[in-house]
Amino acid sequence: QVQLKESGPGLVQPSQTLSLTCTVSGFSLTSNSVSWVRQPPGKGLEWMGAIWSGGSTDYNSALKSRLSISRDTSKSQVFLKMNSLQTEDTAIYFCTRGADWGQGVMVTVSS
Amino acid sequence: DVVMTQTPPSLSVAIGQSVSISCKSSQSLVASDKNTYLNWLLQSPGRSPKRLIYQVSKLDSGVPDRFSGSGSEKDFTLKISRVEAEDLGVYYCLQGTHLPRTFGGGTKLELK
Repeated sequence: QVQLKESGPGLVQPSQTLSLTCTVSGFSLTSNSVSWVRQPPGKGLEWMGAIWSGGSTDYNSALKSRLSISRDTSKSQVFLKMNSLQTEDTAIYFCTRGADWGQGVMVTVSS
Repeated sequence: DVVMTQTPPSLSVAIGQSVSISCKSSQSLVASDKNTYLNWLLQSPGRSPKRLIYQVSKLDSGVPDRFSGSGSEKDFTLKISRVEAEDLGVYYCLQGTHLPRTFGGGTKLELK
């Protein structure tokens, strides 16, 4: 059974760095890509970036300078790190394999 | 970036009615492998998005055949025949041909 589960802090201070983990089961990261998608409250979906099966990454051009996606295949985990957070980064953050999505984690940027 | 334009932004429907949602892309979504990577997702209230359709018209496992997708190049349509209460929520198109991936703005399907 395929599962993805996001974890991380619910509250981050402005200008700080966000670190999220997506723990997956039921599939291999070496043969599947995982993307991060976020959704500000009451708004639509935004693709942030992906790590492909071979380990390379691609990012949304608007976030590229602040965003890093990596993985640990031995632990079946994908990581998101984004620096210089602002209030507009407040959102639900999802990881997804395409057909399968995590439950999401709400991140609030506030002092 | 490829811009995905969805219309209408909202739809009010009665149970049992059929509806269509349009998604137009600013560039052709035909990939170098000749496949067209256009997906449709549904986000029910308070839930994560769920993919319904991939590659324009292929239904994901467990998706009722009341859902159908069609289109080509830059013009795509999602049709729901005989809407049921469980179909209510926000529908998004997502292009998977070009980087970065981009979503449409969403179409909210509500009960009349």
